[in-house]
Amino acid sequence: GENVEQHPSTLSVQEGDSAVIKCTYSDSASNYFPWYKQELGKRPQLIIDIRSNVGEKKDQRIAVTLNKTAKHFSLHITETQPEDSAVYFCAAYPRGYSTLTFGKGTMLLVSP
Amino acid sequence: DAGITQSPRHKVTETGTPVTLRCHQTENHRYMYWYRQDPGHGLRLIHYSYGVKDTDKGEVSDGYSVSRSKTEDFLLTLESATSSQTSVYFCAISEPGVEGAETQYFGPGTRLLVL
Repeated sequence: GENVEQHPSTLSVQEGDSAVIKCTYSDSASNYFPWYKQELGKRPQLIIDIRSNVGEKKDQRIAVTLNKTAKHFSLHITETQPEDSAVYFCAAYPRGYSTLTFGKGTMLLVSP
Repeated sequence: DAGITQSPRHKVTETGTPVTLRCHQTENHRYMYWYRQDPGHGLRLIHYSYGVKDTDKGEVSDGYSVSRSKTEDFLLTLESATSSQTSVYFCAISEPGVEGAETQYFGPGTRLLVL
């Protein structure tokens, strides 16, 4: 089955800095890679996703890049704000399967 | 929030008792999932359903059973609760598209404490 590794487990940045979270996956057939943000005590919510036929996708201050050859994808947050503080999860969806495999999460802390 | 509710939202129970958690959706999505979330483990799949009466196991299915008698409801049962099942349980839904994978939307979660 699919295995997703996520790094770092915690990340502290100053407000205004950029933050990068990286994930690797094992199944080369995976074709869908969502990112979820989970604030304390809340449900995970999708913030951005990318499919295997695209190398990069942006949405305002967040972007995701995908390197299929190396089997890794990354979340980039620019101009971080305190409200970006949360746990972020990456996931991979192998073609032909019906379930997502999640990374273990990254706790991002943005200090004012 | 994608028309998903979970009940109860909080529950305290004793070891050895059966517990049933309910997930209800108004989106008519075909797929429904149960996850548990524990510190250091992220989200782990317990069971999922790909249609009425069609279910399959996830990576941590021992001690859990599920049922789906209608599209909108997916029940998770802890047959005999143990302290190791203390966790936050999330339901999720999705509707696969032409490429197979589609976004999963999560319910608000149920906090379960087994004493």
